[in-house]
Order: sequence, then structure tokens, then C-alpha cells
Amino acid sequence: EIVMTQSPESLAVSLGERATISCKSSHTVLYSSNNKNYLAWYQQKPGQPPKLLIYWASTRESGVPDRFSGSGSGTDFTLTISSLQAEDVAVYYCQQYYNIPITFGQGTRLEIK
Amino acid sequence: EVQLVESGGGLVQPGGSLRLSCAASGFSFSRYWMNWVRQAPGKGLEWVANIRQDGSEEYYVDSVKGRFTISRDNAKNLLSLQMNTLRAEDTAVYYCARGPDIAAAGLNWFDPWGQGALVTVSS
Repeated sequence: EIVMTQSPESLAVSLGERATISCKSSHTVLYSSNNKNYLAWYQQKPGQPPKLLIYWASTRESGVPDRFSGSGSGTDFTLTISSLQAEDVAVYYCQQYYNIPITFGQGTRLEIK
Repeated sequence: EVQLVESGGGLVQPGGSLRLSCAASGFSFSRYWMNWVRQAPGKGLEWVANIRQDGSEEYYVDSVKGRFTISRDNAKNLLSLQMNTLRAEDTAVYYCARGPDIAAAGLNWFDPWGQGALVTVSS
């Protein structure tokens, strides 16, 4: 099983400032055959299901604001929110879909400072 | 509009059984892998199981193997999860989520997700 570890567990950022969340996998999630990283990011607000933000580590889902970006490769990944808005308060999860079982990070809670 | 609606949650005693359903609409259900993902109260996300478009492949997380069975009825656009020998640690909100149309073992991101069904295992 690939273990996904996110840091920090919680984060407080001022409105308009940058927020950065890290996700590390215990095994590479980069398939050499197609050079794709099998990693996604989700946003979950209280009382709601998760919402897909990014897949293939850096491809933004349609309709997701461009202040959200994903980067990284292999075992180290980052979700960046370039200018935090009030509506971005949520828990963020990374997910690997490189192999079964599909696994998630433990989540990072993002709050306003 | 693509929509997934779970039903069948509730309170069940340890050792009991429960069957969850997920009604899909707004897309061609038979073209996609489908998944169940759960979230214990105040905890993170855990993938539970997935099933291929024609039902010929199923995969499970180790903690539910032999107790849970995923199935689908493409004629009714319905995904199901039969949960037997339930334990307190199975208490969670269970989400159904759409997977890929083409991917080995259904390995893909999940989009969209249903609103979830709460399963509580307690005496």
C-alpha cells in the first residue's frame, strides 16, 4: 500500500497570501511508460463531499480557479493557492491512483489567519 | 446534470448487515468504473471498493475483503454495496464516486461524488 503523508496537518494563512500544502508518497506515483504522475487533489468543505481540484498532479479541473495549482513529481507534490480567498477554507486531500488500494493523505485543514 | 444519490444508511448493531445504494443520473452509467469511499466521523477519506463497467472486476481495501461486496445494475443505473459482519470501525459516511471510463483496475481520480450516506455501527 502506498502511504500518502501530507504536511502540515493544519495551516492558517492571511487573506490574499499564498498557501502551500505538501504531499509525499511512500512509493513513486510516476509511471515511466507515459511520464504521468498518478496524483489528484481534492477540496472538502464542512458537510460537503470532496471536490476534485487537480489530477495528473498539475492539471486543473474545469471550473477550478487558476489560483489553485499543483506541482511535483515522483514522490513529492505541492498544492499551492496563490492568493487565499475566504471561500478556500476547507480540508485538502491528496490521492494516489497509481495502484490498488487507492489511498489518500490524512488531510490538511486550511484556515484564515 | 451528473448526479449520484446514496441511500440505505442507518444504525446497525455490530455483526449486522446493511446494503447501500447509489442512483446515478445525467451520464452513461454503464461506461464508467464506480467506487465507494468512506469517511469516519472527523477523519479522512478511505477508498473502499470499485467495480468495472460490466461488473467483471472488483477491488477492495483489505479491511473489508470478505465482508463487503460491490455490485451494479447497469439497466437501473444503480451501484450497491452489501456490507456484512459490520464492525464499529465501519462507522462512516459512505460516498459513491465515479471513476474512469478507461483505466486499468479503475485507477483514476474520482469525479463527481455523491452527498454520502451515514452508516453507524453501534449496540
